[in-house]
Amino acid sequence: DAKTTQPNSMESNEEEPVHLPCNHSTISGTDYIHWYRQLPSQGPEYVIHGLTSNVNNRMASLAIAEDRKSSTLILHRATLRDAAVYYCILRVSNTGNQFYFGTGTSLTVIP
Amino acid sequence: DTAVSQTPKYLVTQMGNDKSIKCEQNLGHDTMYWYKQDSKKFLKIMFSYNNKELIINETVPNRFSPKSPDKAHLNLHINSLELGDSAVYFCASSQGLARGTDTQYFGPGTRLTVL
Repeated sequence: DAKTTQPNSMESNEEEPVHLPCNHSTISGTDYIHWYRQLPSQGPEYVIHGLTSNVNNRMASLAIAEDRKSSTLILHRATLRDAAVYYCILRVSNTGNQFYFGTGTSLTVIP
Repeated sequence: DTAVSQTPKYLVTQMGNDKSIKCEQNLGHDTMYWYKQDSKKFLKIMFSYNNKELIINETVPNRFSPKSPDKAHLNLHINSLELGDSAVYFCASSQGLARGTDTQYFGPGTRLTVL
């Protein structure tokens, strides 16, 4: 399984940007980087994904390092509703459709 | 409209019993999954079905038997429940694209407690 490494926890003040890092040094050229988050007592939900270029959507931005061995999920203005566990996942493109979740980063947003 | 739904939301039962959890998706997806999230919040895939056929069985005890009557449903039946089966079980679905862009949609989870 392709492996990702994330900090166990992070804190952010409300309405400030949050940068959630992820290391994936074993990534191969066709592996996609996915981010999901899990709000308390809910199922995981999709946030964003990318391959090589930086990506933006209404929820977040994904910055991917040039060598693709790391990436950063950026929440531009954290709100209390963003408090969740954020999972960085490598989706290996030439295998089955499974995700292998790591331990994720628990984000606390301080009012 | 709930995209991926599971029933029941909570399930409390005694050791040795047999129980089932149902999952339905209305997204028209071809692939469905079951995940187990233990007390340490680690989320691990158990099964994957594509068009009613088993694709992945991640070394799950054979007391766990998924059943897919059609591609919109994937039920999980558990025989002879053990204390260690206590966890939150999540169902998910995706289009099943054999590419890295496939996105999964998760249900709200079923919290199983075995006494």
